[in-house]
Amino acid sequence: DAKTTQPNSMESNEEEPVHLPCNHSTISGTDYIHWYRQLPSQGPEYVIHGLTSNVNNRMASLAIAEDRKSSTLILHRATLRDAAVYYCILRFYSGGSNYKLTFGKGTLLTVNP
Amino acid sequence: NAGVTQTPKFQVLKTGQSMTLQCAQDMNHEYMSWYRQDPGMGLRLIHYSVGAGITDQGEVPNGYNVSRSTTEDFPLRLLSAAPSQTSVYFCASSAGGTGELFFGEGSRLTVL
Repeated sequence: DAKTTQPNSMESNEEEPVHLPCNHSTISGTDYIHWYRQLPSQGPEYVIHGLTSNVNNRMASLAIAEDRKSSTLILHRATLRDAAVYYCILRFYSGGSNYKLTFGKGTLLTVNP
Repeated sequence: NAGVTQTPKFQVLKTGQSMTLQCAQDMNHEYMSWYRQDPGMGLRLIHYSVGAGITDQGEVPNGYNVSRSTTEDFPLRLLSAAPSQTSVYFCASSAGGTGELFFGEGSRLTVL
């Protein structure tokens, strides 16, 4: 199973950009890279996902390395509300029409005022 | 705007009791799944389903049963609760195999 590696924690200052890294060296060609975040006492929420090209949405940008073995979630201007655990995960095909989505421990992002 | 609805939000059980955690989604999603989250840990996949009548095991399926008789509902059954099943449980759904997952608010279960 393809796995991801993320730093346990990162800190940022409010209104500064944040780059959250993720390594997935065993990624396969059919794996999508997903990012979710989880605020305290809440369920995870979707942030962004991509396959090969860089992606942008209203919440963040996703930069994917050319060899797809790593990716970076970019929050352009961190706010206090962005303090959360961020999960980088691979959505992979496990045979037939089944798909599994497994989570690691993620990166705890602290945003300083 | 219901999305994914989980009930109950809180439950306390005694060892050996049984119960069902309910999960319902109103987005006509094919894929549904159950995760558990223990303190300081990420989410671990228990069971998942890719459509009505189809279920499969995740990473930690022991002690849990699921069924998928309709597209909307995906209940998780604990047949004989154990203290090791004390956790927060999340249900999630998505439209397809690679799209965005929508999560419920979670169900906090304590087994004494």
